[in-house]
This record gives sequence, structure tokens and C-alpha cells, in this order.
Amino acid sequence: DQQVKQNSPSLSVQEGRISILNCDYTNSMFDYFLWYKKYPAEGPTFLISISSIKDKNEDGRFTVFLNKSAKHLSLHIVPSQPGDSAVYFCAARDGAQKLVFGQGTRLTINP
Amino acid sequence: DTGVSQDPRHKITKRGQNVTFRCDPISEHNRLYWYRQTLGQGPEFLTYFQNEAQLEKSRLLSDRFSAERPKGSFSTLEIQRTEQGDSAMYLCASSLEYGQVPYEQYFGPGTRLTVT
Repeated sequence: DQQVKQNSPSLSVQEGRISILNCDYTNSMFDYFLWYKKYPAEGPTFLISISSIKDKNEDGRFTVFLNKSAKHLSLHIVPSQPGDSAVYFCAARDGAQKLVFGQGTRLTINP
Repeated sequence: DTGVSQDPRHKITKRGQNVTFRCDPISEHNRLYWYRQTLGQGPEFLTYFQNEAQLEKSRLLSDRFSAERPKGSFSTLEIQRTEQGDSAMYLCASSLEYGQVPYEQYFGPGTRLTVT
């Protein structure tokens, strides 16, 4: 059972525009959500997180939105830059502290 | 460099052999996690430690897998009698957990295992 889903395997965005990555989850017990970025041959790098009691968190060009009623979160990157090209993973923390990851979305920023 | 380090970065082994991986977490972090990632998937949880205590193991962690964190610092993950299905990227992460305050998990570069 896939508790965290990223339904778009890939996304292509023009440099300077907004990138929106989406994630859906099924477990209402998740208390914390995170986004990670991964380059080839490297481990995931933490980007931004949000507690389940909030609906928005912003850090520079990155904003994460959480809609608990829809069990949906999204990551907005504005403006998108070529260095943002990577695989992005959505993750959710369960009460036992481990992270449950989605399958990832490959973001490509076109110049 | 004060990040999470893993050794080796790559390991090729023949089916049936034993392999051991090492993870050195960020020094002040009290929690250490192991994940496994296969192609096209996100990382999957295997096990985690709080200091030297192993607190949870996934059902993915068969009897052939064992993990230790003997002094609450570095950790090892051993796979006995490797199978081709064990081929994956093995990721280690660490975090600082204090009471109920959650902190982000920081990942190492991973060990890529290929079983031939």
C-alpha cells in the first residue's frame, strides 16, 4: 500500500517560471511532511518541511502548502532555476519517527 | 565535512557472499536510520536507532539483515548470503530528536550494492 504518492513521474518547466510538485497521502496520522531533492549518485538533500498543524511554510524560493482535508501537499519553486533540475521526493513522518517516501518526480528546468 | 558519511560508496558482490556497510552520522545526532532505494522508487525504511538502541525494524529487514550501533555513534548494516534482489542503494540518515521536537533527517551519499 502506497501511503505517499507522487503521481507525476516527471515535470518540465521553463526557467524563471513557477514549478509546482504535488504529493498525496492516505495516512491521517502523519504529523510532519518534508521535501527532499536528489541528484544522481547522491543521497537526498533536505529542502523544506511543514508540520501537520500548519498550512504553509516558506523558505526563500521554496514554499510548501498543506491541505489536510484533501490529504495533499505541494511544493512551489519560484522562480525556477536550471540548478533546480533534480528528482524531488515528498516524505511523511509517522508517529514512529520513520519517513515514508513517495516515488519521486523528476523536475527539468529548461533554459 | 560534518555531514553523514557512508562507506563503501559502491560494492559489487557475488550471490551468497556477506557484505557490511558503515555509516557515520552527524556527530551530535542521536538518531540513525537505514533506508533502501531501488530504481524508480523512493527510499524505504529499514530500521532506526536512538543512541545504541534499535527501536524499530521494517518487515523488509529479513533475517539475513542485521544492523548495529554499538556505541551510539557509527552504525553497520550487514547482509548475509546476498541475493540478487538485495541490489539497491542503501541510505543512512541521522537526526537530532529531543523530546517531541522533530528535526529533519539528513542523508548520506549511500552505498550502491550490486549482487551478481
